[in-house]
Amino acid sequence: KAGVTQTPRYLIKTRGQQVTLSCSPISGHRSVSWYQQTPGQGLQFLFEYFSETQRNKGNFPGRFSGRQFSNSRSEMNVSTLELGDSALYLCASSFRQGAGETQYFGPGTRLLVL
Amino acid sequence: AQSVSQHNHHVILSEAASLELGCNYSYGGTVNLFWYVQYPGQHLQLLLKYFSGDPLVKGIKGFEAEFIKSKFSFNLRKPSVQWSDTAEYFCAVNAYGANNLFFGTGTRLTVIP
Repeated sequence: KAGVTQTPRYLIKTRGQQVTLSCSPISGHRSVSWYQQTPGQGLQFLFEYFSETQRNKGNFPGRFSGRQFSNSRSEMNVSTLELGDSALYLCASSFRQGAGETQYFGPGTRLLVL
Repeated sequence: AQSVSQHNHHVILSEAASLELGCNYSYGGTVNLFWYVQYPGQHLQLLLKYFSGDPLVKGIKGFEAEFIKSKFSFNLRKPSVQWSDTAEYFCAVNAYGANNLFFGTGTRLTVIP
């Protein structure tokens, strides 16, 4: 099976702009989660979507939003970009196996805000 | 809220040395536990996971981890490391039934040939 794919892989934006990142999950996975990775804060959970509904949300401002489509593909959007939004944004897809779900990560989109 | 501590920030070992990376979490309920690895230039990959059952779990590439509930720990071990194990290792936890992972800050492992 193909892994999780994310596009674009690299982005450069300026402060105040908005950005949309895309994630295609592993075939058959219905849950997609997004994480932000920075040197200072490490890996932090943004939100999770399952069957086109946000199932869980991390502690990020409302400028960060997402959605999921009927084919399980997901997008996240960041509006009014700030310098601190520069990070690697990771998408993970998962499916339930018995007692839990295992998340499989994509390569990430590296966003640089100037 | 849950949190995960990885006390070793950078570990340097010679090839064939044994490895143990510490991971402690704080959460009072039932948890699922994971170790992920990030090789240089590559994305996060699952090493192993614990959901329930035998607290000693084996993963890929000869890694294993032991869940000790009384100590809230899930330490990663490998009896003999190789140069190719040079990477960053992340411990992660989520509450049973939830799917949002809480990650530790990671441990960078450097293996010297």
